[in-house]
Amino acid sequence: EVQLLESGGGLVQPGESLRLSCEASEFNFVIYAMSWVRQAPGKGLEWVASLSGEGGTTYFDPYYADSVKGRFTISRDRSKNTLYLQMNSLRAEDTAVYYCAKGDWFDSWGQGTLVTVSS
Amino acid sequence: DVVMTQSPLPLPVTLGQPASISCRSSQSLVYSDGNTLLNWFQQRPGQSPRRLIYKVSYRDSGVPDRFSGSGSDSDFTLNISRVEAEDVGIYYCMQATHWPHTFGQGTKLEIK
Repeated sequence: EVQLLESGGGLVQPGESLRLSCEASEFNFVIYAMSWVRQAPGKGLEWVASLSGEGGTTYFDPYYADSVKGRFTISRDRSKNTLYLQMNSLRAEDTAVYYCAKGDWFDSWGQGTLVTVSS
Repeated sequence: DVVMTQSPLPLPVTLGQPASISCRSSQSLVYSDGNTLLNWFQQRPGQSPRRLIYKVSYRDSGVPDRFSGSGSDSDFTLNISRVEAEDVGIYYCMQATHWPHTFGQGTKLEIK
């Protein structure tokens, strides 16, 4: 069974940075696209970013939601089976639970990590 | 961006009765390879989302067969043949045909 374990959330002030991690297991992490999706408190789901798999038939450059473009960076470490989301210049509206999801069709999800941006 | 519009938003249902959720997209969701990339997700209270249906009508592993998806182009439906207590939660449609991928607002299913 696919396992996705997010970490790195916390309370930060506006303008600060945070890096989220998602440790993946029980599937071939390298070949799959991976994504981040967030959910603000009491709100719906919002796609944040996706990263293509490697060595597959479908490659795409990393995609970002307009709301985070230029501030967030999605990346992966193949040796650690870990997906990252580097979040810079955080704003109050970035406050949300951030989920790591397998693929860009989100077929499996982690348990989420809460990011709170507040002064 | 493709706008996904769900209805109804609150969905009160009697146990054992059927339920239906509509999802309409502002553009066709037919991909260049002919597939239609419309997915449905369930989020139970306090839990992470879980995918139920992909490519309009394909059920994910472990999803009860009382859940079914249908539709085409820009008009889609999630049906639950007989609602059970464990089905309470919020249901989202999501399109993966166009970037950015976008979700519907969510339909909250509750038991009457």
